[in-house]
Amino acid sequence: GAGVSQSPSNKVTEKGKDVELRCDPISGHTALYWYRQSLGQGLEFLIYFQGNSAPDKSGLPSDRFSAERTGGSVSTLTIQRTQQEDSAVYLCASSRKGWVRTEAFFGQGTRLTVV
Amino acid sequence: DAKTTQPTSMDCAEGRAANLPCNHSTISGNEYVYWYRQIHSQGPQYIIHGLKNNETNEMASLIITEDRKSSTLILPHATLRDTAVYYCIVRVAENSGGSNYKLTFGKGTLLTVNP
Repeated sequence: GAGVSQSPSNKVTEKGKDVELRCDPISGHTALYWYRQSLGQGLEFLIYFQGNSAPDKSGLPSDRFSAERTGGSVSTLTIQRTQQEDSAVYLCASSRKGWVRTEAFFGQGTRLTVV
Repeated sequence: DAKTTQPTSMDCAEGRAANLPCNHSTISGNEYVYWYRQIHSQGPQYIIHGLKNNETNEMASLIITEDRKSSTLILPHATLRDTAVYYCIVRVAENSGGSNYKLTFGKGTLLTVNP
């Protein structure tokens, strides 16, 4: 597709369940970012992938959160044993490495609601 | 990444120029200044970036002071659709040889364009 695609767009889950959020970056983009945004708050960095380098996981809030990126393309963010405080919009972005103009393109996000 | 300081909110009349300031007094020589904006319920959108020269594109102009410790984003003729949170970010460009390219978003400035 032309842009960053995230699925699902909305997810309601029960407390304690695991969820998987998917991000399809723009083709050819080697950098991929995950952020989350709680209601009325700014963007909180979660994790960053760049090519074959080890990901920067410094923003993951707990060991219940993990992410992987298979084949340098699609990424999945997994939240285990969800808690109500995990409710937020999870945003994915990608950018092309090697260009001065390193614009990051964001998807529309997945709105996660833990009930 | 260098820390940035922006006003929490600003107002602008429709059709007038909106001038959004950003302080980044600890910016390093290889760090660029990026501006993104987030319209309500959407993912962030790239606007413009620069290193030391002033930049202009179809969306905005970026004025960077000679000492690079501050910058101003200018929307020359603000419209109601420009109402958004504007984020000023400084970071190394991905082709600069550094290893930490993540975008770190602060609180941003809520720009409200009034009719």
